[in-house]
Amino acid sequence: DQQVKQNSPSLSVQEGRISILNCDYTNSMFDYFLWYKKYPAEGPTFLISISSIKDKNEDGRFTVFLNKSAKHLSLHIVPSQPGDSAVYFCAVGGRGSQGNLIFGKGTKLSVKP
Amino acid sequence: DGGITQSPKYLFRKEGQNVTLSCEQNLNHDAMYWYRQDPGQGLRLIYYSQIVNDFQKGDIAEGYSVSREKKESFPLTVTSAQKNPTAFYLCASIAGDRPTNYGYTFGSGTRLTVV
Repeated sequence: DQQVKQNSPSLSVQEGRISILNCDYTNSMFDYFLWYKKYPAEGPTFLISISSIKDKNEDGRFTVFLNKSAKHLSLHIVPSQPGDSAVYFCAVGGRGSQGNLIFGKGTKLSVKP
Repeated sequence: DGGITQSPKYLFRKEGQNVTLSCEQNLNHDAMYWYRQDPGQGLRLIYYSQIVNDFQKGDIAEGYSVSREKKESFPLTVTSAQKNPTAFYLCASIAGDRPTNYGYTFGSGTRLTVV
């Protein structure tokens, strides 16, 4: 059974608008939550993270929100740019993952000019 | 520059052959990981090593083997027992023995194709 779910395989937004990527998890023991960005034929690169003691973390155009009661996190990109087009993976870790990161299946974001 | 180097970038394997994927890091990281990416499947953990001369199976270890003789190196062997080896393989590492808010540093990947 999937512990981390990204229910939208793809998302298309217009340049300049907001992109919202969602992720749900099942285990309340997870301590930290991360987003990675991946281009084709390349390794994922770390984008932003949040620990379980916070509900929001912001870094430039990227903001991650954590709703622990709903076991839900989201990544907001404002404004979206064509260079943001990539696959975004959410990952969770901590006490609920035996010391490893567990990844969702990814959401492919396309930002159209 | 410090980083993780995976080689080769593309690898072709014949049915029944074993192949070894290289992963080297000069970040002085303690823990190293191998993930496999298939279309629509996300990243699945194959093996990980938190310290030299020790490694643990991940979720999909069958048909794979690893070694960790040096801190810098964590090669992955895809054996003939792996029934569906065609995939994109990613190596990662972290300082310390487990990830924190900073997550992993990933290599650029190896695309393995069975011909």
